[in-house]
Amino acid sequence: GAVVSQHPSRVICKSGTSVKIECRSLDFQATTMFWYRQFPKQSLMLMATSNEGSKATYEQGVEKDKFLINHASLTLSTLTVTSAHPEDSSFYICSAPELPGGRTEAFFGQGTRLTVV
Amino acid sequence: GENVEQHPPPLPVQEGDSAVIKCTYSDSASNYFPWYKQELGKRPQLIIDIRSNVGEKKDQRIAVTLNKTAKHFSLHITETQPEDSAVYFCANDMRFGAGTRLTVKP
Repeated sequence: GAVVSQHPSRVICKSGTSVKIECRSLDFQATTMFWYRQFPKQSLMLMATSNEGSKATYEQGVEKDKFLINHASLTLSTLTVTSAHPEDSSFYICSAPELPGGRTEAFFGQGTRLTVV
Repeated sequence: GENVEQHPPPLPVQEGDSAVIKCTYSDSASNYFPWYKQELGKRPQLIIDIRSNVGEKKDQRIAVTLNKTAKHFSLHITETQPEDSAVYFCANDMRFGAGTRLTVKP
């Protein structure tokens, strides 16, 4: 299957700083990517849909100024957590569908465990 | 977004028994219904999926059934083994159900 690589896998940052997470599709082009956050023992909550060449679509309740998404190429989407606070500590994971539109198998990155101290 | 409801939350079973997990969805236009397995600390992995033009699909011990009229789809695992223990998620339009923690007791 297709490969999605996410980096870094773990990051610890101080309150008030920003953290950038990268999501790359290695062997296919992804015009759309999805960003999720997952708290311990909970489900994956869709945060936003990243669209190549256009603005991301954010889910209700997700602050777009806090979670900046950039999808500058067909193989790379980035999520930047700005002015991070301890409550932002979570597991962030991206996915890319095999085909455009999202109604096909999605391939996930390894996830990024963010700890804000 | 559209809702995806999944149950049961935890599902303990005895090794060798069958397990069934059910999801309901609200988007009547949906045509793709996947199930993912997530082991602790790892990424979700697709285990089986079904499209709306069929009612059932099997892959060895795993099967998925779809009822478009009732808008629900189910995961069936037969002859469960300890290595089946994990959290299983259904998804619809890239949104995930709450997850079911399957624990297979030897």
